[in-house]
Amino acid sequence: DARVTQTPRHKVTEMGQEVTMRCQPILGHNTVFWYRQTMMQGLELLAYFRNRAPLDDSGMPKDRFSAEMPDATLATLKIQPSEPRDSAVYFCASGSPRRLSAYEAFFGQGTRLTVV
Amino acid sequence: QQQVKQSPQSLIVQKGGISIINCAYENTAFDYFPWYQQFPGKGPALLIAIRPDVSEKKEGRFTISFNKSAKQFSLHIMDSQPGDSATYFCAASIPLVAYNTDKLIFGTGTRLQVFP
Repeated sequence: DARVTQTPRHKVTEMGQEVTMRCQPILGHNTVFWYRQTMMQGLELLAYFRNRAPLDDSGMPKDRFSAEMPDATLATLKIQPSEPRDSAVYFCASGSPRRLSAYEAFFGQGTRLTVV
Repeated sequence: QQQVKQSPQSLIVQKGGISIINCAYENTAFDYFPWYQQFPGKGPALLIAIRPDVSEKKEGRFTISFNKSAKQFSLHIMDSQPGDSATYFCAASIPLVAYNTDKLIFGTGTRLQVFP
């Protein structure tokens, strides 16, 4: 059962702490998206990787957020230092090399981040 | 101009009824219009999608109607069932020409509740 795996599922942290969220894309998928979902803003694209290289990270606050793909099986989204306004559900989605459109990507179950 | 406006925010429908969710956009560069279904604690899942050169697309009980001149599109769920209770997001795909790919802009979501 191929699926995008995100860890942790839930994270509560104190303001100022570093937070790392991990995503394991579906095996063979070469495109990874990071989205943030909040009640106020809805779903926003933060970063977009293809073949481990960043294509578009214009939606990501650069001062505290960073996204990487150390290898083809792991994508990470890091927030340092975290702030209460970062509280949201963060989704990773992965796409197949045969399906290039963003809408064809599969979403993980998300990491619910609470910064207190 | 990159926004996708979605309404209503919430919708209550009786079992067997028709659920209608509307979206509108301004940017004529959008070239694909998918709809997503999201259950609590899960990531969004692609439901159905349409190109702007097609006025209607049907898959089972789900139909997208597209009005290019009005820059509007809608999701109709026929014979709505309690299992359809979820949050529905419309989206629009905008080309990232430099990378030969695209990215999604999401609507704000509609929470649908179908009562028996």
